[in-house]
Amino acid sequence: QLMESGGGLVKPGGSLRLSCAVSGFSFSDTIMIWVRQAPGRGLEWVSSISPTTRYVHYADSVKGRFSISRDNANNSLYLQMDSLRDDDTGTYYCARASGDWYADNWFDPWGQGTLVTVSS
Amino acid sequence: SYEVTQSPSVSVAPGKTARITCGGRNIGGRSVHWYQQKPGQAPVLVIYLDKERPSGIPERFSGSNSDNTATLVISRVEAGDEADYYCQVWDSSSVHPVILGGGTKLTV
Repeated sequence: QLMESGGGLVKPGGSLRLSCAVSGFSFSDTIMIWVRQAPGRGLEWVSSISPTTRYVHYADSVKGRFSISRDNANNSLYLQMDSLRDDDTGTYYCARASGDWYADNWFDPWGQGTLVTVSS
Repeated sequence: SYEVTQSPSVSVAPGKTARITCGGRNIGGRSVHWYQQKPGQAPVLVIYLDKERPSGIPERFSGSNSDNTATLVISRVEAGDEADYYCQVWDSSSVHPVILGGGTKLTV
């Protein structure tokens, strides 16, 4: 199971830290991702992180403002979001990858999401 | 970087067959995965590795992938299948490894 938390209302330019608590599988062996969805829009990949943090990538829209991290000892994934903008508003999901970095990865399960609203 | 495209919407009558496509250059050489998302809910995996069904997904859901088009097929469509469907590809050599289609709204 995956459980996101940390969403809320924040002013433009502000910061939030999202968390994803994981249970039921070996988190330390698993690629994890964040995906977001603006209201009424499609899914947008935000960031990915490999088990040992060797591979960390970001969408162009968040690069330099967001930072993904993980705590394998505590089965937790994080997304630090700084310099937030109106268009960062949406529901943020964490999800588990199916295999290692060089496999054809799919994502299952997904968390229920946490809502981030950026507004003055 | 690699891109995939989906038609915005598909409409089908109950009991008929819905076909939702995902286009990409030589996508048949890649593995495609499909997610269903109902309003207010998280995405759910319905097909992985082009045509494999996770446990709990009805046999009415199937997939294929060839040349430049991957297809999600839903047979004997039910009202409960109305949802948004997204295709996804993984590219380990890219700095954007998770490639998602724009989604297709299935209306029953």
